[in-house]
Amino acid sequence: DGGITQSPKYLFRKEGQNVTLSCEQNLNHDAMYWYRQDPGQGLRLIYYSQIVNDFQKGDIAEGYSVSREKKESFPLTVTSAQKNPTAFYLCASSNRLGGAETQYFGPGTRLLVL
Amino acid sequence: RKEVEQDPGPFNVPEGATVAFNCTYSNSASQSFFWYRQDCRKEPKLLMSVYSSGNEDGRFTAQLNRASQYISLLIRDSKLSDSATYLCVVMDSSYKLIFGSGTRLLVRP
Repeated sequence: DGGITQSPKYLFRKEGQNVTLSCEQNLNHDAMYWYRQDPGQGLRLIYYSQIVNDFQKGDIAEGYSVSREKKESFPLTVTSAQKNPTAFYLCASSNRLGGAETQYFGPGTRLLVL
Repeated sequence: RKEVEQDPGPFNVPEGATVAFNCTYSNSASQSFFWYRQDCRKEPKLLMSVYSSGNEDGRFTAQLNRASQYISLLIRDSKLSDSATYLCVVMDSSYKLIFGSGTRLLVRP
């Protein structure tokens, strides 16, 4: 089946630790996105990528890093510089930037700080 | 002021009721508009796009008023399965999506 997968479903981070969230898509989409959702809040854009080997900061990029070495994969690293990382992280993809008609979301990863 | 504002609700309605949600956006240069549905602890899913002429999909009707910068979603004959959070989403001039905080709907038997 085509779609977006994210792993793990739940992730626990210790203070001062970097953690990496996985996002893979087999939809042959060019654009991929990372969002963060806090309770009772809308989604906020962290990073996005229009093509392989290119990515742009979103509205809340501080404390996060990404890579786009393959079209199918867009991992997000939450670094120790992110002081409030507890949130629901959602990865999405679309045919192209702005292709909201076909922006599909993965099931998300819940990150908790111990 | 938030770029996209919604009444958080919850809207608590009986089955069969008609319910309407409104959303306002601040950027008059916004290009496209959408409603997404998000179930508890799940990812958002596109419910429908919103066109200037208004559009309908079964029991759901979406309207856009560019002059007043608001978007509406009408749900007729509510079902228990309609219980969810409805996110108003606006595409800005750089083609990024701006999400509202969502309006929670509870449909009771």
